[in-house]
Amino acid sequence: GQQLNQSPQSMFIQEGEDVSMNCTSSSIFNTWLWYKQEPGEGPVLLIALYKAGELTSNGRLTAQFGITRKDSFLNISASIPSDVGIYFCAGRGTQTGKSTFGDGTTLTVKP
Amino acid sequence: GAVVSQHPSWVICKSGTSVKIECRSLDFQATTMFWYRQFPKQSLMLMATSNEGSKATYEQGVEKDKFLINHASLTLSTLTVTSAHPEDSSFYICSAGGLAGEFGDTQYFGPGTRLTVL
Repeated sequence: GQQLNQSPQSMFIQEGEDVSMNCTSSSIFNTWLWYKQEPGEGPVLLIALYKAGELTSNGRLTAQFGITRKDSFLNISASIPSDVGIYFCAGRGTQTGKSTFGDGTTLTVKP
Repeated sequence: GAVVSQHPSWVICKSGTSVKIECRSLDFQATTMFWYRQFPKQSLMLMATSNEGSKATYEQGVEKDKFLINHASLTLSTLTVTSAHPEDSSFYICSAGGLAGEFGDTQYFGPGTRLTVL
């Protein structure tokens, strides 16, 4: 089946630093989604990407849909303590309507 | 964005009992809902895809007789864990996706249900 490789697995950064994480796949996706999950809660959608090459921002978050449609990255600028959580990427195809999820990037921000 | 609710948010039950978890789309109609299971510090594991008015499609290795899914309306899907055992203890999360129109092709998650089987 389809698989996503998400990296890095975890990050420990100082408040104020920028963060970058990415997902790559051997398969093509039509949609890329980025989520944040905090302990004991469901994932919350951060950014949705629908076109190859698309660059979308949501506040301090920026994500891009790779030209090859096989990868995506998420950047967080000027991190703050509340950015702590697990970030998941997800790729969506059209045949099944299902999403394939990465294993997540755990972000820790030190004040 | 779209809002998905789950009830209950947590449940503790005795081994052998059945537990029903409800998933509702509050401000949109969801023709497709998904049920996931998540173990601590792991990613989301898709259990089944639920389409309104039809039988759910289960992922390989998921027992359909143990995890009963019903999607009776465009705003409600239920997951029933039958004869629960301690190994069924987990965090169960539903989501609604594949939406056209206002919310586009995306997937919104509920807040999850923590099941603990004693």
